[in-house]
Amino acid sequence: EVQLVESGGGLVQPGGSLRLSCAASGFTFSSYWMSWVRQAPGKGLEWVANIKQDGSEKYYVDSVKGRFTISRDNAKNSLYLQMNSLRAEDTAVYYCARAGQQLAVYYFDYWGQGTLVTVSS
Amino acid sequence: AIRMTQSPSSFSASTGDRVTITCRASQGISSYLAWYQQKPGKAPKLLIYAASTLQSGVPSRFSGSGSGTDFTLTISCLQSEDFATYYCQQYYSYLGTFGQGTKVEIK
Repeated sequence: EVQLVESGGGLVQPGGSLRLSCAASGFTFSSYWMSWVRQAPGKGLEWVANIKQDGSEKYYVDSVKGRFTISRDNAKNSLYLQMNSLRAEDTAVYYCARAGQQLAVYYFDYWGQGTLVTVSS
Repeated sequence: AIRMTQSPSSFSASTGDRVTITCRASQGISSYLAWYQQKPGKAPKLLIYAASTLQSGVPSRFSGSGSGTDFTLTISCLQSEDFATYYCQQYYSYLGTFGQGTKVEIK
């Protein structure tokens, strides 16, 4: 059974940093593109970043470029999102999601349960 | 960036109804469209990809159609567990964008 379990969310002050983790199991993690998708309270879904199987390609939504870094450790079956210079508008539930096809742009066939990041003073 | 517009934003329906949700892309996306269902406090669930291919395990009352810029999600006979918010997503271009969502409520 495919499982994605996020952790690392919490309350952080504006300008602060946070590192999210996603532990994957039930599939060959190193064979899939992976992504972070977020959802602000009461709002829709926004694709934040994605990373190729070997980490050689990474893409970000414009609003987080230069502040967020996606990475992965295939030996640990884990995906990460380092978030720096956090802003109030980054407040959201962050989901780890698996690519449904082996291309740089894709739909998501499995999602984690999400972890809430709140940026507030 | 490609913009996805869903209509309506919300509506009320009754169990047993046939319902249709529309998603329009700001430019052609071939059939690179997915539909998701999300219930409160839960992660989205993939229903359909490639505009009309049903994800494994999804009930056959769900169907999708369309190509280019106009797409529809149809639920043939609404069940109680189908009351949720539905999102379309294009994956034709960089960082596939989502529609704003359509909330299906109980009448």
